[in-house]
Amino acid sequence: GAGVSQTPSNKVTEKGKYVELRCDPISGHTALYWYRQSLGQGPEFLIYFQGTGAADDSGLPNDRFFAVRPEGSVSTLKIQRTERGDSAVYLCASSLSGTGVTEQFFGPGTRLTVL
Amino acid sequence: AQSVTQLGSHVSVSEGALVLLRCNYSSSVPPYLFWYVQYPNQGLQLLLKYTSAATLVKGINGFEAEFKKSETSFHLTKPSAHMSDAAEYFCAVTGSSGDKLTFGTGTRLAVRP
Repeated sequence: GAGVSQTPSNKVTEKGKYVELRCDPISGHTALYWYRQSLGQGPEFLIYFQGTGAADDSGLPNDRFFAVRPEGSVSTLKIQRTERGDSAVYLCASSLSGTGVTEQFFGPGTRLTVL
Repeated sequence: AQSVTQLGSHVSVSEGALVLLRCNYSSSVPPYLFWYVQYPNQGLQLLLKYTSAATLVKGINGFEAEFKKSETSFHLTKPSAHMSDAAEYFCAVTGSSGDKLTFGTGTRLAVRP
């Protein structure tokens, strides 16, 4: 079956602009995660959804970042007033449930470049 | 809180040689530990995971890892490296509540002919 998909694959924007990054999880997966991977680093957790609600948003760096999952499937990560430091690969993952033993399946990521 | 430390950002081995990628963890609760591989321009793929069932865990592509509580380690090994193993490898940890993964900084493995 289809894996996790993310669109766009690449996004170039100018400082101060607003961007939306989309994640389509594997069908039937109730848990969805967003991570950010900066150059030369491992992925860093941003936010985790269980169904429609954000179960843990402790990784969001500031109030410019926001994510939604209104119907419990597709999720959108929204970044306002982008800064050059937001440049990174944004990864989405989904799993059958939010328990630790359940594998998280990752999408290919969206590479965001803020000029 | 949990964390992992990967020793060695770059490891180079000859084809056919032993692969050893190091990971040490810190966790205030019994951890679940994972190794992921990332090939260029591809998403992260799970190699193997430790969930307390057995300390020696076998994964895909001939990789295995051993959980050693006394050493707080979860090193990844493969007896014989193949050219196709060249990639970046990430160790990750989560607690029993199982939400977010905390990743190490990664180890880039190069395989010499």
